[in-house]
Amino acid sequence: EVQLVESGGGLVEPGGSLRLSCAASGIPVNDYTMNWVRQAPGKGLEWVSSISSGGIFIYYADSVKGRFTVSRDNAKNSVFLQMNSLRADDTAVYYCAREIGGNRSDQWGQGTLVTVSS
Amino acid sequence: DIQLTQSPSSLSASVGDRVTITCRASQSINNYLHWYQQKPGKAPKLLIYAASTLQSGVPSRFSGSGSERDFTLTISSLQPDDFATYYCQQSYSTLRTFGQGTKVEVK
Repeated sequence: EVQLVESGGGLVEPGGSLRLSCAASGIPVNDYTMNWVRQAPGKGLEWVSSISSGGIFIYYADSVKGRFTVSRDNAKNSVFLQMNSLRADDTAVYYCAREIGGNRSDQWGQGTLVTVSS
Repeated sequence: DIQLTQSPSSLSASVGDRVTITCRASQSINNYLHWYQQKPGKAPKLLIYAASTLQSGVPSRFSGSGSERDFTLTISSLQPDDFATYYCQQSYSTLRTFGQGTKVEVK
């Protein structure tokens, strides 16, 4: 069974940093493009970042470019999202998701809540 | 970035109703368009991919159609479990985007 589990969320002050993790079981994350998607309270889904299989291609939404960094650790079978210079509008539930054929996201984690507030 | 515009933003319907949600892209995305269902406090669930292919395990009352810029999600006979928010997403561009969502509520 494929399972994605996010962790690392919490309360952080504006300007602070957090590192989110997405641990996979049942699949080798290195074989897939992995996405980070967020959802602010009461709002819609927003794609944040993608890292391709092998980590060759990396993309970011304009709203996080220069502040967030996505990476993967094949030995830990995990994907990470390093978030720096956090702002109040980064407050959201962050999901990781696996992308398969046709570039569709078929498996999602349960999400981890990031709250940026003083 | 490719913008996706869903309509309506919300709708009220009854069990048994036929429900149609549309998604228009700001440019042609071929058929790189997917539909997700999300319930409160839960992760999104993939329903339809490549515009019209039903994801494994999804009931056949869900269907999708369209190509290029205009797409439709149809629920042929709304069931109690279908009251949720629905999102379209494009994966034509390396910068993925979602529509703003359509909330299907009880009439």
